[in-house]
Amino acid sequence: KAGVTQTPRYLIKTRGQQVTLSCSPISGHRSVSWYQQTPGQGLQFLFEYFSETQRNKGNFPGRFSGRQFSNSRSEMNVSTLELGDSALYLCASSLPLGEQFFGPGTRLTVL
Amino acid sequence: QKEVEQDPGPLSVPEGAIVSLNCTYSNSAFQYFMWYRQYSRKGPELLMYTYSSGNKEDGRFTAQVDKSSKYISLFIRDSQPSDSATYLCAATSSNTGKLIFGQGTTLQVKP
Repeated sequence: KAGVTQTPRYLIKTRGQQVTLSCSPISGHRSVSWYQQTPGQGLQFLFEYFSETQRNKGNFPGRFSGRQFSNSRSEMNVSTLELGDSALYLCASSLPLGEQFFGPGTRLTVL
Repeated sequence: QKEVEQDPGPLSVPEGAIVSLNCTYSNSAFQYFMWYRQYSRKGPELLMYTYSSGNKEDGRFTAQVDKSSKYISLFIRDSQPSDSATYLCAATSSNTGKLIFGQGTTLQVKP
């Protein structure tokens, strides 16, 4: 069974640009959650999508947004990038309830 | 105060030692507790998933949850150099996608 896949694996952007990250969950998983990981703050929850609806949201500014498609694939978007947005962005998938399985992450560097 | 606290270490032990990793939490509503292992530049890998108080064993790994003292533990028996990684504890108040993570403990097992 294929795991969670995330694309791209690495991104370099400049301040003010926007970026879109993609996540394909494990087959049969309908819930997708996104997290930001930084050395200073650790792993922080961004948002969760289930059946194309945002079910939970973390404490991040509105520049961070996401969506989920009917095939459960999810994208997150960060607009007007800031230096502090440099991080590893992780996607996790699960059945409607249960264990979360993480992808390898997308490493975003903002210059 | 963070909802989940974890000593970042680093923790260094000789091969074959028993390793004890610990977290405390403050939110009494937390019911589900997880341990993840993360190798450098990889996504977190789910090791243990437990509900409420009690012990759970899987091979060399044992997870313990004591809800009365709000204490979570992971024990690794016969530690191996391949166990060298960062270990993250996580908790959630209901079985949804919003996991609250500790800062992670860096473990090094020396041959």
